[in-house]
Amino acid sequence: SQTIHQWPATLVQPVGSPLSLECTVEGTSNPNLYWYRQAAGRGLQLLFYSVGIGQISSEVPQNLSASRPQDRQFILSSKKLLLSDSGFYLCAWEPPGATRGEAFFGQGTRLTVV
Amino acid sequence: QQQVKQSPQSLIVQKGGISIINCAYENTAFDYFPWYQQFPGKGPALLIAIRPDVSEKKEGRFTISFNKSAKQFSLHIMDSQPGDSATYFCAASSSGTYKYIFGTGTRLKVLA
Repeated sequence: SQTIHQWPATLVQPVGSPLSLECTVEGTSNPNLYWYRQAAGRGLQLLFYSVGIGQISSEVPQNLSASRPQDRQFILSSKKLLLSDSGFYLCAWEPPGATRGEAFFGQGTRLTVV
Repeated sequence: QQQVKQSPQSLIVQKGGISIINCAYENTAFDYFPWYQQFPGKGPALLIAIRPDVSEKKEGRFTISFNKSAKQFSLHIMDSQPGDSATYFCAASSSGTYKYIFGTGTRLKVLA
């Protein structure tokens, strides 16, 4: 069966510090991968998606970046965090191809920038 | 045109009652409409989904009603239980893209 792992679960970082959040998927090949951010009391905002290794599409211009160094690994990074980067970050995957299927979400990372 | 508008923002229902959450969209290219359930501190989990070739889909106590002409869809939770207390998100996407557009969420509380 397929599983998605996201870590860390919580993170407190000072303003200006770097960020690296990692997401890995097991039990599938060539998944579509997504990073979402959920601000308090708001919906899910799509940040990045990837349909293959090295292929990253950005939805929202900001100081975050994403990389997919391996087929089932998706990393969200920042060189210098801002206070506004605080939020709940969610990684998700779905089977390959553009035909809509179920998107499976990780447990999320609660990031607080102080 | 890419937005999905969800209402209400919060909802309180008595145990055994019916919870109704509504969503509306503009983009007629959307062809997949899932609902996600999220408990505090957890990632969303798919609850039920519908495609526009049907007007209703039922799974247990959860039903999606879909009105293609009005570009609206809704989630009905019958016999609501305290364990249903969670935040519910509607979403929409279209074949050929990789984007899910989410509503802003509805926080449901079912009173015991």
